[in-house]
Amino acid sequence: AQSVTQPDIHITVSEGASLELRCNYSYGATPYLFWYVQSPGQGLQLLLKYFSGDTLVQGIKGFEAEFKRSQSSFNLRKPSVHWSDAAEYFCAVGEEGGSQGNLIFGKGTKLSVKP
Amino acid sequence: EAEVAQSPRYKITEKSQAVAFWCDPISGHATLYWYRQILGQGPELLVQFQDESVVDDSQLPKDRFSAERLKGVDSTLKIQPAELGDSAMYLCASSLGGRSYEQYFGPGTRLTVT
Repeated sequence: AQSVTQPDIHITVSEGASLELRCNYSYGATPYLFWYVQSPGQGLQLLLKYFSGDTLVQGIKGFEAEFKRSQSSFNLRKPSVHWSDAAEYFCAVGEEGGSQGNLIFGKGTKLSVKP
Repeated sequence: EAEVAQSPRYKITEKSQAVAFWCDPISGHATLYWYRQILGQGPELLVQFQDESVVDDSQLPKDRFSAERLKGVDSTLKIQPAELGDSAMYLCASSLGGRSYEQYFGPGTRLTVT
């Protein structure tokens, strides 16, 4: 069965420092991969997505992610974190087979930003 | 910018009562999803509609949950009777359909069952 693993439950970084959030997936074919961000009490907002092509994808708010097939990873990065980036981040993979478009989410990584 | 609307935003109900949530997707989006998100977890799909038809409800607890999208536009998710374990965030999302289209999420309904 497909799965998404986000190994870090909670990460704290200083404002201005770089950030990398880890995501590993299990999937048989070429996956459709997504990163979403969720502020407290809010819905999810899409940061970026990977379907095919260039393995380094750029998203909104200065985020980028790199697809590495050999490592089954899709890590999210940002060179300089802002206080407003404090939120929960979810990695997701499009479900293989079955209904089209269903997403399998990881359990999320909560990001705290120190001033 | 078009958004997915959900109401109510917050709902407190007693166990064994009935509760309903409403979702209005982005105009033109054929596919509508209901997810349940338990605190500290990622969202999990409950039901997926393509227009007015259910295409996946394998994870929907059908003894107490029901969902409909009668005219293929807005949708209602109902729980009857509510149980303590149903306390969660209920998220609605919509998309143009298919694996290549991103899902747009509404703000969610936070349900607390007492």
